[in-house]
Amino acid sequence: GNSVTQMEGPVTLSEEAFLTINCTYTATGYPSLFWYVQYPGEGLQLLLKATKADDKGSNKGFEATYRKETTSFHLEKGSVQVSDSAVYFCALSDLTGSARQLTFGSGTQLTVLP
Amino acid sequence: DGGITQSPKYLFRKEGQNVTLSCEQNLNHDAMYWYRQDPGQGLRLIYYSQIVNDFQKGDIAEGYSVSREKKESFPLTVTSAQKNPTAFYLCASKDRTGNYGYTFGSGTRLTVV
Repeated sequence: GNSVTQMEGPVTLSEEAFLTINCTYTATGYPSLFWYVQYPGEGLQLLLKATKADDKGSNKGFEATYRKETTSFHLEKGSVQVSDSAVYFCALSDLTGSARQLTFGSGTQLTVLP
Repeated sequence: DGGITQSPKYLFRKEGQNVTLSCEQNLNHDAMYWYRQDPGQGLRLIYYSQIVNDFQKGDIAEGYSVSREKKESFPLTVTSAQKNPTAFYLCASKDRTGNYGYTFGSGTRLTVV
């Protein structure tokens, strides 16, 4: 079955540091890949996505590239801010016709210190 | 603005009670989902529905029930059979293509008192 593995947190960085959160996946076929962000006490918001190999998703300074050869979708940001403190979830959607296939990683807590 | 509305934001349940969590969307999405999130953990799928009057069990359906009488609404009932219901519950929806990912509500935090 499908699965997503994220680097374990928590991750603590100083403001303006470089961020990488690793995400690898196992899936049949050609899934779409997503990063979601969850701020305290809130639901998940879509941060970025990529639907095919070598696509790069980007939003708010965050980037992730769909790497089929390494089955990875690592999240990066060149200079984090305190406001980026949140939990980040990597997910895949297997678009083989069924509605249920959104599989999440366990989430990575990021704290950015001023 | 289109979106998903979950209510209430906080809910307290006594032992042995059934409670119902509301989820309404005005996005005209076909598929809707309920997830459970426990502290420090990822999301686990409870139930999902692809069309009106149809729904399927997810990975942790025991102790929960749902209905889908209208496209816009997908309420979740946490029954007394759910032995550990304290958690954060998230509702989500998806359009037919799925190319834009899922849209989530802001969640309901359920606590057993």
